Amino acid sequence: EPEVTQTPSHQVTQMGQEVILRCVPISNHLYFYWYRQILGQKVEFLVSFYNNEISEKSEIFDDQFSVERPDGSNFTLKIRSTKLEDSAMYFCASSALLKEEKLFFGSGTQLSVL
Amino acid sequence: DQQVKQNSPSLSVQEGRISILNCDYTNSMFDYFLWYKKYPAEGPTFLISISSIKDKNEDGRFTVFLNKSAKHLSLHIVPSQPGDSAVYFCAASASDDMRFGAGTRLTVKP
Repeated sequence: EPEVTQTPSHQVTQMGQEVILRCVPISNHLYFYWYRQILGQKVEFLVSFYNNEISEKSEIFDDQFSVERPDGSNFTLKIRSTKLEDSAMYFCASSALLKEEKLFFGSGTQLSVL
Repeated sequence: DQQVKQNSPSLSVQEGRISILNCDYTNSMFDYFLWYKKYPAEGPTFLISISSIKDKNEDGRFTVFLNKSAKHLSLHIVPSQPGDSAVYFCAASASDDMRFGAGTRLTVKP
C-alpha cells in the first residue's frame, strides 16, 4: 500500500538554527499538509499546499516557516530560526481529492530544539 | 483554537463492550468529519468519516453518528477489542484545512 514517508525520524538542533523536514507524499496525491503535535497536546494544522502554492495556513505558520515542493516528489517544511517551542512531532500528510476528505499521514519527524 | 473539542482525555472499557468517543465542534462551516486513530510513534491513520448530509455511517465495528443541530459527533466501537487501544482524534474539515480535537486515549482491557 502506498504511504507517506518522512525523513529524518528524529532531528535535534540548536535554537536559532535552520531545519528542513522532508516528506515524500503518495505519488498521485495533489494536496499536501503539515501538522504538528507538541508532546501531550493536540494535533495542530500548520499549512496546506496545492498546485505549488499555499492554500491555507494557520496562525502558527508565521514568517519563520516555509514550505516547498522542489521537485515532483518531495515536500519540505523549513523552519528558519528554530525556537525551543518548535519542539514537536511534525507530521506530513497528503490527500488525493480536490477537497480533502481523507488524509494519509507519515510517521512523523520528532524535532528537538535545544 | 478550540473549534473541535474532545472533552474526555481518556476512556477505559472492558473487552467486548461498547466504546463511545465524543466530539463537539463550534464552526458551523464544517461539512466533513473524520475519526483518526493513532498508535505511539506512528502518524494518525484514517478510521471512518461522515459527510454533513448524513447522520450515521457504519463500517464494521465502527459507527459514527453526527448531530448537526447539537454540533456533536460520536464514534461507537462494538465490540471493543484490546487492539483498539489507541488515541482517537476527531477531525473536521471546511475548506483546505482540517482541524483536530485533542484526542481521547482509549484503553480496552481484556
